[in-house]
Amino acid sequence: NAGVTQTPKFQVLKTGQSMTLQCAQDMNHNSMYWYRQDPGMGLRLIYYSASEGTTDKGEVPNGYNVSRLNKREFSLRLESAAPSQTSVYFCASSLGQGSNEQFFGPGTRLTVL
Amino acid sequence: GENVEQHPSTLSVQEGDSAVIKCTYSDSASNYFPWYKQELGKRPQLIIDIRSNVGEKKDQRIAVTLNKTAKHFSLHITETQPEDSAVYFCAASVTGSARQLTFGSGTQLTVLP
Repeated sequence: NAGVTQTPKFQVLKTGQSMTLQCAQDMNHNSMYWYRQDPGMGLRLIYYSASEGTTDKGEVPNGYNVSRLNKREFSLRLESAAPSQTSVYFCASSLGQGSNEQFFGPGTRLTVL
Repeated sequence: GENVEQHPSTLSVQEGDSAVIKCTYSDSASNYFPWYKQELGKRPQLIIDIRSNVGEKKDQRIAVTLNKTAKHFSLHITETQPEDSAVYFCAASVTGSARQLTFGSGTQLTVLP
C-alpha cells in the first residue's frame, strides 16, 4: 500500500495564479483532511471531509476550496494564489468511525511569489 | 473552538537524559490526545495517543500522562537517543465524527551526543 500520496511535491506560483493540489489514499479511509504548516504555528486545518460526499471548513479556509472526488481522492484548490499562502500543505486521512489516528501524506511545498 | 498550547518551543537534552513536553487544552469536550513526531523534511507520524478514560499510557521509552481536571497532558521520553531529535506536536480532538485535530505549535527536541 502506498498510504497517502500527494502531488506535486514542490510548486512555485505567481500571485493570482490558480492550482490544485491532489491527494489520494489507498487505505479505504472515510475521513480526509487538508492542513497547512507554517514555521512556529504547527498544523492548521484548512478543510476536511468526514465521509465521501461531505466537506467542511476548518480553522483557516479562506482562499481555498476542496473537492472530495470519491472515497480515495480529496483535492485542494487555490483559485487566486497570494503570498500569504506560501506554506507546506499536508493531506491526511483516517478511518473515522471511532478510529482517530490520522495518516499524513509527504507534503507539498508551495511558494507564491 | 479548541485551543492547544505547547511548551517549550525548543528543548535540548543530553543523550540518556529524559525529556518532557507539556500541552494544555481549552475544550473540556476533547477526549483524544495524540502526539506526532516530525523529522526534518518528513511527514508527521503518530508516536503515541491517549484517550480521556485513561490517565497514563506507556510504549517502551515513551509515555503520555493526562490530567483532565487541569486540562493538560504531557509527553515523557526516557533514555533519549540522537534519533529522538525531531519536532514533536501534541493535538486534541474536538468531539465529532471526523475527529478534527487541533495541534500545538510544536517542540524542537535536540538530543546532544
